[in-house]
Amino acid sequence: EVQLVESGGGLVQPGRSLRLSCAASGFTFDDYAMHWVRQAPGKGLEWVSGISWNSGSIAYADSVKGRFTISRDNAKNCLYLEMNSLGAEDTALYYCAKEVTVTVFDGAFDIWGQGTTLTVSS
Amino acid sequence: SYELTQPPSVSVSPGQTARITCSGDALPKQYAHWYQQKPGQAPVLMIYKDSERPSGIPERFSGSSSGTIVTLTISGVQAEDEADYYCQSADSSGSYWVFGGGTKLTVL
Repeated sequence: EVQLVESGGGLVQPGRSLRLSCAASGFTFDDYAMHWVRQAPGKGLEWVSGISWNSGSIAYADSVKGRFTISRDNAKNCLYLEMNSLGAEDTALYYCAKEVTVTVFDGAFDIWGQGTTLTVSS
Repeated sequence: SYELTQPPSVSVSPGQTARITCSGDALPKQYAHWYQQKPGQAPVLMIYKDSERPSGIPERFSGSSSGTIVTLTISGVQAEDEADYYCQSADSSGSYWVFGGGTKLTVL
């Protein structure tokens, strides 16, 4: 079964850091670009960051550029999101998502995890 | 920054056709994708590359593109189609992606 399982969310104070992880299974992880998408409570979807299959291409939303770092470990079938200088605006459910087509980096996500919740509050 | 614009809500009776639009300046250059999200669930890809339907998605879902507007069409709407729908695409240079604000489809 193709599966993505996020972890690492929680309650953190403003200004602190946190790392999210996404464990992939059921598909050839290193064939696909991966992304993080978040959804604030009661709000719409916001694309956060994406990384190509070989980490050669990386992109960030302006809202997180300079604070968040995406990475992947293809040997461990894992995607990560290192988040620094967190603020209340980062409070959201964070999903990892897989591109639908091998090796491309064009933003269509066919598999999503169930998400991990980040709450930034003092 | 780049934005995609969707109507906040669309209402339709069962069996009718629902059309949800998404407008953006870069849509003539970039593919659009559509997602369905039901409460408490992760999004589901319904249409990609403007009009491609992933396996397992019912044929009543289709997508089209015309200039700066892309459209998700749901023919013969069923009660189970009630959900939020989001379009997604990239900026003109393909540097980043954005989602539309979402459209709540209500089946009357």
